[in-house]
Amino acid sequence: QITLKESGPTLMRPTQTLTLTCTFSGFSLSTSGVGVGWIRQPPGKALEWLALIYWDDDKRYSPSLKSRLTITKDTSKNQVVLKMTNMDPVDTATYYCVHSPGRYYNAFDIWGQGTMVTVSS
Amino acid sequence: SYELTQAPSVSVSPGQTASITCSGDKLGNKYACWYQQKPGQSPVLVIYQNNKRPSGIPERFSGSNSGNTATLTISGTQAMDEADYYCQAWDSSTVVFGGGTKLTVL
Repeated sequence: QITLKESGPTLMRPTQTLTLTCTFSGFSLSTSGVGVGWIRQPPGKALEWLALIYWDDDKRYSPSLKSRLTITKDTSKNQVVLKMTNMDPVDTATYYCVHSPGRYYNAFDIWGQGTMVTVSS
Repeated sequence: SYELTQAPSVSVSPGQTASITCSGDKLGNKYACWYQQKPGQSPVLVIYQNNKRPSGIPERFSGSNSGNTATLTISGTQAMDEADYYCQAWDSSTVVFGGGTKLTVL
């Protein structure tokens, strides 16, 4: 059974750097094709894809946020970390960690429960 | 940048067929997938690769994709299907989501 769980701060101040950790189980990020990504959803709004990292360390970023994002993996710890710089109140959202079975699958089959991050001064 | 467009809301009577569409330039040349999200819950994948259902998803959910439009069809809609539905596709190695459609069953 695949599970993913997000962790990180719930409250951020503007200009700070957000660090979110996705701890997963039930699969290995060293398995060919597998990926882990991040998606966010502001309150009452649509889903927005942020970043994705594959088993071979191939990384993909949202073009509109690429300059602010860094995604990394620690295969030995079964963790993926997302960093987002220069946080702003518009970044207030629920952040989800997601599993991708492979590039061919073109979808995210398992989602974490999400973690709410509020940005406020 | 690539955009996927969905109608904000769709209504359907119980037992009837609901159709939720997602439009994008040459979307039929890409794989489309669909997520269901109920209030306070994480999204759930209901259709991937245009028309495939993940394990555990009822047969009443089906999908198609041709031309510029992908369609999620729910046959025999039930009250439990009331939710927000999001389409998603890949373009130029990046992921794109539609704006979501709220399905009301009344």
